[in-house]
Amino acid sequence: EDKVVQSPLSLVVHEGDTVTLNCSYEVTNFRSLLWYKQEKKAPTFLFMLTSSGIEKKSGRLSSILDKKELFSILNITATQTGDSAIYLCAVETLNYGGSQGNLIFGKGTKLSVKP
Amino acid sequence: NAGVTQTPKFRILKIGQSMTLQCAQDMNHNYMYWYRQDPGMGLKLIYYSVGAGITDKGEVPNGYNVSRSTTEDFPLRLELAAPSQTSVYFCASGMIARPYEQYFGPGTRLTVT
Repeated sequence: EDKVVQSPLSLVVHEGDTVTLNCSYEVTNFRSLLWYKQEKKAPTFLFMLTSSGIEKKSGRLSSILDKKELFSILNITATQTGDSAIYLCAVETLNYGGSQGNLIFGKGTKLSVKP
Repeated sequence: NAGVTQTPKFRILKIGQSMTLQCAQDMNHNYMYWYRQDPGMGLKLIYYSVGAGITDKGEVPNGYNVSRSTTEDFPLRLELAAPSQTSVYFCASGMIARPYEQYFGPGTRLTVT
């Protein structure tokens, strides 16, 4: 059975801290790994990773994928209260009829950044 | 652009009732998806569509039906609602070129009692 496991499930830090969120996966027909940020309502797309070792960066957020060890990390440096959210990791597979874009989500990591 | 819209925002159903969750997108996306998110759990794919007239089952399709008569609309039908269907339902859409970059609607919180 395909699965995506995120750790920790929740994390409380203070502003200015650096955090690392983990995502490991076991899926057949791996295509890509995605990170989403979910604040009060709908998830919003952060990164898509397909190749090992290539870091994606966007401001204070960065992510890297290790396809050999089947995991990814999401780093957030100099955290701010606005970073408080649930961070979802998802793996895109070619299952369910071979169509692209089918995502298997982890349970998420709830990050709380205290002032 | 309104993006992905969903109605209603909240709904309470009695066991055995039926309802349709509406989803519409105005971005001309071919791909559309329905997910459910239970408390403390990740999103699970219910049904998806790669274009008008084409739908297929996801990971948890039992108890649901969908149709896709137009590119814009992708309604989700619940027949004979059960307490296990209490969840938050998200609709999402994506482009053919980047189907993984999904745009999510605001969600519908459904309670079945």
